[in-house]
Amino acid sequence: DTEVTQTPKHLVMGMTNKKSLKCEQHMGHRAMYWYKQKAKKPPELMFVYSYEKLSINESVPSRFSPECPNSSLLNLHLHALQPEDSALYLCASSHPGGPEAFFGQGTRLTVV
Amino acid sequence: TQLLEQSPQFLSIQEGENLTVYCNSSSVFSSLQWYRQEPGEGPVLLVTVVTGGEVKKLKRLTFQFGDARKDSSLHITAAQPGDTGLYLCAGVKGSNYKLTFGKGTLLTVNP
Repeated sequence: DTEVTQTPKHLVMGMTNKKSLKCEQHMGHRAMYWYKQKAKKPPELMFVYSYEKLSINESVPSRFSPECPNSSLLNLHLHALQPEDSALYLCASSHPGGPEAFFGQGTRLTVV
Repeated sequence: TQLLEQSPQFLSIQEGENLTVYCNSSSVFSSLQWYRQEPGEGPVLLVTVVTGGEVKKLKRLTFQFGDARKDSSLHITAAQPGDTGLYLCAGVKGSNYKLTFGKGTLLTVNP
């Protein structure tokens, strides 16, 4: 099983809403990532968890709050987002130190 | 500063043609990966190259890692419409977890 599963696939939320994105993998990977991707641009790293601990935060605004409940799950909690936060949010996982990262299908987020 | 420079940025060719995409850097990478991404989907890993001078083949795709581990190329032979997509190179430096992406090459193969 080389699959990373993300839910939901699409999400529309208002600027005052609170929502969560979910990611799950069963490959035994101990590093998990959140990326943000705008149209026709490469993915941009947001957060890295290694062994369930936050190891990298790429200066992401606090309206994005990551959580890693266990080695298989990764959440991204969203609150008070702005329209410019609309993007494809990608989850990935790898063995610690990589190098290969496996990506989920992404969540297409639209903030209205 | 873009650590990984990809070229060309856009490429539109006819079915059956050959093409090469380049990924260059002034930095040394411990490994480079190539991904293909279709609209609205996540990137799919094609290959990882680790050793300088390494050449890997995946059907009609040939990947090469430069001797100095600073650059890589992807060559597609006899392109097909199904090859259409965004090709991304990505590199890992040292033992950290950060995967640095190039800006990507948007390939369109016309029937």
